[in-house]
Amino acid sequence: AQSVTQLDSHVSVSEGTPVLLRCNYSSSYSPSLFWYVQHPNKGLQLLLKYTSAATLVKGINGFEAEFKKSETSFHLTKPSAHMSDAAEYFCVVRPAYGQNFVFGPGTRLSVLP
Amino acid sequence: EAGVTQSPTHLIKTRGQQATLRCSPISGHTSVYWYQQALGLGLQFLLWYDEGEERNRGNFPPRFSGRQFPNYSSELNVNALELEDSALYLCASSLGGTGIYNEQFFGPGTRLTVL
Repeated sequence: AQSVTQLDSHVSVSEGTPVLLRCNYSSSYSPSLFWYVQHPNKGLQLLLKYTSAATLVKGINGFEAEFKKSETSFHLTKPSAHMSDAAEYFCVVRPAYGQNFVFGPGTRLSVLP
Repeated sequence: EAGVTQSPTHLIKTRGQQATLRCSPISGHTSVYWYQQALGLGLQFLLWYDEGEERNRGNFPPRFSGRQFPNYSSELNVNALELEDSALYLCASSLGGTGIYNEQFFGPGTRLTVL
């Protein structure tokens, strides 16, 4: 079975410092990979997606992620955290078309002033 | 372009009643997904519809059911409501076809409270 591991359930950073949210997946194929953000009591918003065109993917709001096939990782980074980045972040894998999207358990990001 | 819409925004029911939640996908999207997000838990996959057919179902009892209409909108029905059904129910849509990279677009959710 496919799975997604988000190594940290909670990450706390100071405003202006870098953000690293980790994601590892298991997949027998070359999957599609996504990062979503969810602000409190809201739906999910797509931050970025991996489409095999490039291993370094740039998303909205200054976020980016790097696909590393050898490590089966797709970590999310941002050079400088902003207070508005405080939210829940989900790493999502779709192993192949016709298969379900598999969600990680989420990482809650807190940004301290 | 209008996003995914869900109705109602909030729904309050009592135990044993039935709830009906509705979702309208983005125009052109043929796939609709339903998820349950209970407090403090991640997203739990409920149902996936594409082109009017149920493609997959999560590990939920049969009292959770749904359907997709010819216009690709969808309905989620929860019968014999239990207290633990209280959650945010999220609907998402995506393009169908063979595009593995087609992302999901989420609606704002319906908050179901069972008293």
